[in-house]
Amino acid sequence: GENVEQHPSTLSVQEGDSAVIKCTYSDSASNYFPWYKQELGKGPQLIIDIRSNVGEKKDQRIAVTLNKTAKHFSLHITETQPEDSAVYFCAAPTSGTYKYIFGTGTRLKVLA
Amino acid sequence: DAGVIQSPRHEVTEMGQEVTLRCKPISGHNSLFWYRQTMMRGLELLIYFNNNVPIDDSGMPEDRFSAKMPNASFSTLKIQPSEPRDSAVYFCASFGGGGQPQHFGDGTRLSIL
Repeated sequence: GENVEQHPSTLSVQEGDSAVIKCTYSDSASNYFPWYKQELGKGPQLIIDIRSNVGEKKDQRIAVTLNKTAKHFSLHITETQPEDSAVYFCAAPTSGTYKYIFGTGTRLKVLA
Repeated sequence: DAGVIQSPRHEVTEMGQEVTLRCKPISGHNSLFWYRQTMMRGLELLIYFNNNVPIDDSGMPEDRFSAKMPNASFSTLKIQPSEPRDSAVYFCASFGGGGQPQHFGDGTRLSIL
């Protein structure tokens, strides 16, 4: 089955700097990779996703890159702001099912 | 658009009591998932339904846990009897089909005393 590993578990950056969070997956048939942001007291909210037929996708300050050969994908946040502070999760589907396997999460702190 | 709606938002009860968590998925979504989130174990899938039918309940921890989806717009997760180790945040998510994201509710924070 699918296995997803996420690093780092915590990340502190100065406001305005960039943050990068990385995930690896095991199922080569996985073809869709969402990233979620979870704020305190809320459920995970989708912030960006990528399908396996592209290598990069950007949405303003957020980008995701995918390396299918190496089976890893990364979240990049540029010009970080205090409101980016949250826990971020990557996920990958288990092929043949609708199940996602989630990474263990990265707690991002943006220091003002 | 209304998102996934969960109730109650918080539940505090004594061990041994029955607990029922409720979820209304996004209209038109035909898959529904129940997750449990704890510091120790992260986000765990308990069970998921497709077209109101339970597909995979391998994550349900014990027979004390049960879930139903009587129609496309409502699901329940029941714990009977509840135990302190069941304390966690329980999330419901719904999903419209392959290649789409799961959409989460804001969860039920459950505390069993």
